Amino acid sequence: DTGVSQDPRHKITKRGQNVTFRCDPISEHNRLYWYRQTLGQGPEFLTYFQNEAQLEKSRLLSDRFSAERPKGSFSTLEIQRTEQGDSAMYLCASTAPDGTGRNNEQFFGPGTRLTVL
Amino acid sequence: DAKTTQPPSMDCAEGRAANLPCNHSTISGNEYVYWYRQIHSQGPQYIIHGLKNNETNEMASLIITEDRKSSTLILPHATLRDTAVYYCIVRVVGSDYKLSFGAGTTVTVRA
Repeated sequence: DTGVSQDPRHKITKRGQNVTFRCDPISEHNRLYWYRQTLGQGPEFLTYFQNEAQLEKSRLLSDRFSAERPKGSFSTLEIQRTEQGDSAMYLCASTAPDGTGRNNEQFFGPGTRLTVL
Repeated sequence: DAKTTQPPSMDCAEGRAANLPCNHSTISGNEYVYWYRQIHSQGPQYIIHGLKNNETNEMASLIITEDRKSSTLILPHATLRDTAVYYCIVRVVGSDYKLSFGAGTTVTVRA
């Protein structure tokens, strides 16, 4: 169990640029989640996948944001035309399939800290 | 999901028990109480969850009142490494998979 990994850990970009983050969940975890966390606040849900299907998207996920999980393994989160308000920590989490006994627990990665100048 | 109310901060002495309260007065019968914590610059970490019985694991104990309107997370022997933000969350298991975090309680363990 190597845990959830995220890449990059830090990203600094200029306003208007596109950025893409990657999340590798724990092997065989079928559910994958993206959250965003701004300073002093708890994480806010953005979207979640069950296998390759994106099943729920928050209203926070504007049309500049897109997430994919093409083969039901790793996921990418892309932000187009970044704005300063996009500066935040982007967290990924995954959970085990139902019936495995640990499907109640979300395992979080270390996050990608985005700074938009 | 029902909302939760937690104190914004609390201090605890190293080696003593830390008792973290959470109010969830509008909790539904099928909603579980979850606790996560987030150490600085890390992702949140699951601690424990329960429905109505008290629960204990290697990290903490969870005491849920009989009316389920409040709960207490107990860290039995706090260490400096327990300094973190602690989040109390209620959710329906099996149908609502996302976690709705509030602002949590910032716990500072002092030597």
